[in-house]
Amino acid sequence: DTAVSQTPKYLVTQMGNDKSIKCEQNLGHDTMYWYKQDSKKFLKIMFSYNNKELIINETVPNRFSPKSPDKAHLNLHINSLELGDSAVYFCASSLGGGPGDTQYFGPGTRLTVL
Amino acid sequence: AQTVTQSQPEMSVQEAETVTLSCTYDTSESNYYLFWYKQPPSRQMILVIRQEAYKQQNATENRFSVNFQKAAKSFSLKISDSQLGDTAMYFCAFMPPGGGADGLTFGKGTHLIIQP
Repeated sequence: DTAVSQTPKYLVTQMGNDKSIKCEQNLGHDTMYWYKQDSKKFLKIMFSYNNKELIINETVPNRFSPKSPDKAHLNLHINSLELGDSAVYFCASSLGGGPGDTQYFGPGTRLTVL
Repeated sequence: AQTVTQSQPEMSVQEAETVTLSCTYDTSESNYYLFWYKQPPSRQMILVIRQEAYKQQNATENRFSVNFQKAAKSFSLKISDSQLGDTAMYFCAFMPPGGGADGLTFGKGTHLIIQP
């Protein structure tokens, strides 16, 4: 059973398009995250979300927006895609986002903007 | 803000050797959590080991162990009897005492290559 899953695994699109990446976790966790891994493999938090609070990294453009239909899902919507958005996007989840809660990662989605 | 530094961009060892990956961090907190994640070519991020700063005992998981030096703000990962499947990027990560709601802070990673 996959604990944290993402779809699609690969996404190729044109500049200016709007796209979404879906994330689902079956761990019963309360907190979910989106990370961006750039071409140099550097990982940086974009968002964390539970049913009470959305925390946004201040460096994330407002073209990016997380949407959570329920506790098990946190989708990432990206508007007006730019070349610099090309990266691998990871979803993760943790039990509560509290002290020491381990984060479990999905397989990643490689986004290529042409 | 915390920073995490991994000073070895790439390392290469022979199979069955022992290898140590270094990680240092900077924080003003006294309690926090540290993690090592492995990212093989499959791209999946896999938790290797974790350490609570308030525990003096170094964490171990089978062939993986850490050397946690709190005063020096150092958190190195030792892999014993290295195997070909250990070939991967290894990331050190920091979590503040308040939890992971602000996300993990990662180092830039070390690419470990195990040679047959």
